[in-house]
Amino acid sequence: EVQLLESGGGLVQPGGSLRLSCAASGFSFSTFSMNWVRQAPGKGLQWVSSISGTGAATYYADSVTGRFTISRDNSKNTLYIQMNSLRADDSAVYFCAKSIIGSYLFDSWGQGALVTVSS
Amino acid sequence: EIVLTQSPGTLSSSPGERVTLSCRASQGVDYNYVAWYVQKPGQAPRLLMYGASIRATGIPDRFSGSGSGTDFTLTISSLEPEDFAVYYCQQYDRPPFTFGGGTKVEIK
Repeated sequence: EVQLLESGGGLVQPGGSLRLSCAASGFSFSTFSMNWVRQAPGKGLQWVSSISGTGAATYYADSVTGRFTISRDNSKNTLYIQMNSLRADDSAVYFCAKSIIGSYLFDSWGQGALVTVSS
Repeated sequence: EIVLTQSPGTLSSSPGERVTLSCRASQGVDYNYVAWYVQKPGQAPRLLMYGASIRATGIPDRFSGSGSGTDFTLTISSLEPEDFAVYYCQQYDRPPFTFGGGTKVEIK
């Protein structure tokens, strides 16, 4: 059974940094692209970033480019996102999601980590 | 960037009714690389359909998808109580892998 468990969320001041982790199990982690999707309170889903299985290819939404960095450690079956220069509009639940092989659609999701950016 | 516009924003229906949700893309989506997800309050989204018309594992056949190019639809042939939720479309043709704004299906 695929399991994705996010951690690292919390309250951070504007301009601050936070790193989220997503521990994966139940599948061959390095085979699949992985993703971060966020959802602001009461709002819709927003794709944030994706990374290929090897980590060689990364993609970002314009709103986070230059501030967020996605990475993965295939030896630890863990996905990360480093978030710098955080703004109030980055406040959201951040979901880790596994891709179907060879694509960037999301067939398994974690339960999410809440990030609140506020002074 | 491909912008996805979902309509209606909210759909009020009764159990047993047939409903159709729309997802319109600002430019053509190649290979029909459109997926649909459903999300219930307090839960993570769940994959319903991909390739515009292929049901994900375990999805009942009352759900069907269609469309190509810029216009895609999700149809629920007979609403069950558990179907009242928010539905999102997503294009995975090219980055940014955008979502539509969602359609909330509520009980009339």
